Amino acid sequence: QSALTQPPSASGSPGQSVTISCTGTSSDVAYDKYVFWYQQHPGKAPKLIIYEVSKRPSGVPDRFSGSKSGNTASLTVSGLQVEDEADYYCSSYAGSNILLFGGGTKVTVL
Amino acid sequence: QVQLVQSGAEVKEPGASVKVSCKVSGYTFASHAITWVRQAPGEGLQWTGWINVNNGDVKYGQEFQGRVTMTRDTSTSTVYMELRSLRSDDTAVYYCARAYFYGLDVWGQGTTVTVSS
Repeated sequence: QSALTQPPSASGSPGQSVTISCTGTSSDVAYDKYVFWYQQHPGKAPKLIIYEVSKRPSGVPDRFSGSKSGNTASLTVSGLQVEDEADYYCSSYAGSNILLFGGGTKVTVL
Repeated sequence: QVQLVQSGAEVKEPGASVKVSCKVSGYTFASHAITWVRQAPGEGLQWTGWINVNNGDVKYGQEFQGRVTMTRDTSTSTVYMELRSLRSDDTAVYYCARAYFYGLDVWGQGTTVTVSS
């Protein structure tokens, strides 16, 4: 299985929105609901911010939202804040107990 | 609260083996699988595999098959990952994470493994 495809970078000014895509295939992203998103600040462990395509864990601000259409999942950060500057990764179940990650997207707050 | 606490940093020579531990607390050990993810310097996340802590069943990523072994000790709620025949490109931070269905909801702090002669 190949890694999921994410844009290497995205940016926006404070208060703006940024959307990150995560493209897979009919065997992974499109197949089921197990698309997750993680935020990683430099030197820190990743943190779950979206699970099962669009659900937010307790404590994650509602400016983070997720969606999916066909082979592509998306993470939108609305009302960008300085602390949202981080790397973002998607993951998807690919069947046969295999997990795939995207290559990661670096979000810069201008 | 749910915690996954990993063992400390390791420095190994090429060809050696390393065994990293991940001790969990704050939930019933048997209720969630544990996965291992690695991150090479400046690179993204790479799934290494996971272990069903109930029965010890494992699934490894294709790139690691034959070199990695994941085990668990139910008496101490600890999971282990051993990687053998280390190469310089195994230098990375290795994370354990708790599986929530087919995603990962709580992560350990990471263990840095450096492979160098």
